[in-house]
Amino acid sequence: GESVGLHLPTLSVQEGDNSIINCAYSNSASDYFIWYKQESGKGPQFIIDIRSNMDKRQGQRVTVLLNKTVKHLSLQIAATQPGDSAVYFCAESPNRDDKIIFGKGTRLHILP
Amino acid sequence: KAGVTQTPRYLIKTRGQQVTLSCSPISGHRSVSWYQQTPGQGLQFLFEYFSETQRNKGNFPGRFSGRQFSNSRSEMNVSTLELGDSALYLCASSTSGASSNYGYTFGSGTRLTVV
Repeated sequence: GESVGLHLPTLSVQEGDNSIINCAYSNSASDYFIWYKQESGKGPQFIIDIRSNMDKRQGQRVTVLLNKTVKHLSLQIAATQPGDSAVYFCAESPNRDDKIIFGKGTRLHILP
Repeated sequence: KAGVTQTPRYLIKTRGQQVTLSCSPISGHRSVSWYQQTPGQGLQFLFEYFSETQRNKGNFPGRFSGRQFSNSRSEMNVSTLELGDSALYLCASSTSGASSNYGYTFGSGTRLTVV
């Protein structure tokens, strides 16, 4: 069935350290994967995406890794800052015109 | 460039009533998707409209319905409200669907409380 899950509901990271948020997905036919960040009182905000024909993509301070063999997706945030505190969702879509399915989210806490 | 606008931001309704939520997408976006967000179930897909046609549908009962107008604005309606319908309802727009540049852009949502 369709499901996108995250390994940990909560992650605490020291300010300045790197954060790694993991996600497992079940639909091997998914073509498109996205990471979203949701701050309190706001809707999810796009961070970075990756297509199934890639295994790594980098943005500003963020990197997404895709391992299709084990159906695993991860988001790496470099030099974590207080403003990174939020709930992070991975999401997948089977194809271009299909819906986006979200995982349950990981709350990232930044420790001073 | 204006973002996705959802109205109202907050709503309190009584069981059995019906409610209509509105979403104005980013100018030029033709796809509008609706999600229900609850602490227990996370973000669950309701439906997607593209050029006034429902293109994708989630697994919600028929009490949940939607429509899209020629200007791409969308409404969703929930009839015969139940306590379990209390949630944050999020609308997202994109140029053509899931794989558009930058995926979806979300609004801030409508917080519906059913009492």
